[in-house]
Amino acid sequence: QVQLHQGGARLLKTSETLSLTCGVSGGSFNNYYWSWVRQPPGKGLEWIGEVHPAGDSYYSPSLSSRVVISRDTSEAQFSLTLHYLTAADTAMYFCTRGSDYSKAGDIWGQGTMVTVS
Amino acid sequence: DVVLTQSPASLAVSLGERATIHCKSSQSVLFTGNNENYLAWYQQKPGQPPKLLIYWTSNRASGVPDRFSGSGSGTDFTLTISSLQAEDVAVYYCHQCYNHPRTFGQGTRVEIK
Repeated sequence: QVQLHQGGARLLKTSETLSLTCGVSGGSFNNYYWSWVRQPPGKGLEWIGEVHPAGDSYYSPSLSSRVVISRDTSEAQFSLTLHYLTAADTAMYFCTRGSDYSKAGDIWGQGTMVTVS
Repeated sequence: DVVLTQSPASLAVSLGERATIHCKSSQSVLFTGNNENYLAWYQQKPGQPPKLLIYWTSNRASGVPDRFSGSGSGTDFTLTISSLQAEDVAVYYCHQCYNHPRTFGQGTRVEIK
């Protein structure tokens, strides 16, 4: 079945750039919505952004000046880049697949803990 | 932005009893093209990613037990667990995937009384 593969925990410093990649295996990469969602420790879910089947990307207004989400269809993976990190970016970062019909996140990665100090 | 307000923030229910969670949207999430509300529900257990329970207001995702049901229309939506089981202890989130930016409710923690 479809799986999303995320890397291990990351420790970064303030003002550095975060780069995360999510690999997709076991199913088609095309026709789906590929998203990033984060969750600060002990808090709720925050949508970061997504890339659509047509290749266009959409972002949270609060992060749009610092974030880029892209995809590589030949490698069946998509990426998150977040610039100018602060302590407020410390969170678990999840990649997720949005269903091609309902757009709801039907497959999730296990998450990558990102700590900014 | 579409603001989703969940209530209550937490609830404690006896095993076998009903649990009801509400989600109110600040605006419609109805797509008139297919007459579906793009409102989903997720369950998140500690140390795990969220799991999709319900999409399009009332459709259960694959493998989700039928004690979970979703309902609603307009701007008011509900997730019901008809007979709470021990494994249902979790935080539940509503989510709209109709507008950008996508948004989540703040979560409802369900515990055993």
